Amino acid sequence: EVQLVESGGGLVQPGRSMKLSCAASGFTFSNYAMAWVRQAPTRGLEWVATITYDTDNTYYRDSVQGRFTISRDNDRSILYLQINSLRSEDTATYYCTREAVHYGMLLRGVLDAWGPGVSVTVSS
Amino acid sequence: DVQMTQSPYSLAASPGESVSINCKASKSISKYLAWYQQKPGKTNRLLIYDGSTLQSGIPSRFSGSRSGTDFTLTIRGLEPEDFGLYYCQQHNEHPFTFGAGTKLELK
Repeated sequence: EVQLVESGGGLVQPGRSMKLSCAASGFTFSNYAMAWVRQAPTRGLEWVATITYDTDNTYYRDSVQGRFTISRDNDRSILYLQINSLRSEDTATYYCTREAVHYGMLLRGVLDAWGPGVSVTVSS
Repeated sequence: DVQMTQSPYSLAASPGESVSINCKASKSISKYLAWYQQKPGKTNRLLIYDGSTLQSGIPSRFSGSRSGTDFTLTIRGLEPEDFGLYYCQQHNEHPFTFGAGTKLELK
């Protein structure tokens, strides 16, 4: 069974840093691109960042470019999101997601597995 | 960025009925649209991608269609477990963008 479990969230002051982790199991992690998606309280879903299966490429939404860093450890099947210079607008539930692969074809942006999410609250 | 305009904001229906949810892209995204279901206490579920391709394991009462930049999710014969939030998302280009969501409620 495919499982994604996020950790590392909590309450943090503006301007501080935080590192989220996502432990993956039930599939060959190194074969899949992975992404973070967030959802602010009572708001919709917002794509944050993607990293390719081989770490060669990363993509970010403009509002987090330069502050967030997505990375992965394929040996340990863990996805990370380093968040620096936290702002109140970063308050959200952060979801670890997997980009789908269908018969060997990468389905860019199609998110076929989601974790339960981890809450990040930025407040003084 | 591609703006996704999703409608209606909410919808009330009874089990057995059919409903449709719409999503309009602000520019061409070809066929690259996905639909997701969100329910409390469950992880988000991919329903459809590429506009009309049913994800493995998703019941055939869910279907997707496209006309230009307009996309529709149809659920025929609602089951009690279908009530929840639905989001569309374009997967044509970065940044991937979502619609604001549609809340499907029990009438």
